[in-house]
Amino acid sequence: AQSVTQLGSHVSVSEGALVLLRCNYSSSVPPYLFWYVQYPNQGLQLLLKYTSAATLVKGINGFEAEFKKSETSFHLTKPSAHMSDAAEYFCAVSEGDSSYKLIFGSGTRLLVRP
Amino acid sequence: DTAVSQTPKYLVTQMGNDKSIKCEQNLGHDTMYWYKQDSKKFLKIMFSYNNKELIINETVPNRFSPKSPDKAHLNLHINSLELGDSAVYFCASSPSTSSYNEQFFGPGTRLTVL
Repeated sequence: AQSVTQLGSHVSVSEGALVLLRCNYSSSVPPYLFWYVQYPNQGLQLLLKYTSAATLVKGINGFEAEFKKSETSFHLTKPSAHMSDAAEYFCAVSEGDSSYKLIFGSGTRLLVRP
Repeated sequence: DTAVSQTPKYLVTQMGNDKSIKCEQNLGHDTMYWYKQDSKKFLKIMFSYNNKELIINETVPNRFSPKSPDKAHLNLHINSLELGDSAVYFCASSPSTSSYNEQFFGPGTRLTVL
């Protein structure tokens, strides 16, 4: 069964600093991987997804993530944090076409200091 | 022209009551979902419908009954509400059941059971 682990329930960075949010997955088949962002009191919005094309995926708002099969990782990065990036970030996995379900990680709250 | 809408946004009720949450999507999608987000922000799928047919039914108490009158609507009825039902409930939709599809989320319904 697939699962997702997000290391760090809270990550704090200074404005302008690198953002790195970690996600490791477990899957018995090649996975599809997603990063969603949730702003306060809102629903989730897709940042980017990996569906077995390029391993480096670019998303909205300057975020990108790299799929590393050998490390079973899909970490999210952004070169320079903005105050508006403060939100909850969720990594999710689905097991290719064998499953309709998205399995979410526990989320990482990103705090951006002025 | 909200893509996925939910009503109500907030729901405060007493233990033992019965309540419903409504969801509508205007994206023309075939597949809809209900998720529960607990107080620790953990997101878990509850149900999924494809073309009005139930395809995912996780281990959810029988007190929860989804209904899909048509492809654009998915409602959630909860009987005999309990304190542990307090959570944010999100509706989502996707074009089909294909696992690489992005899911589009509604703004959520915050249910508080007193």
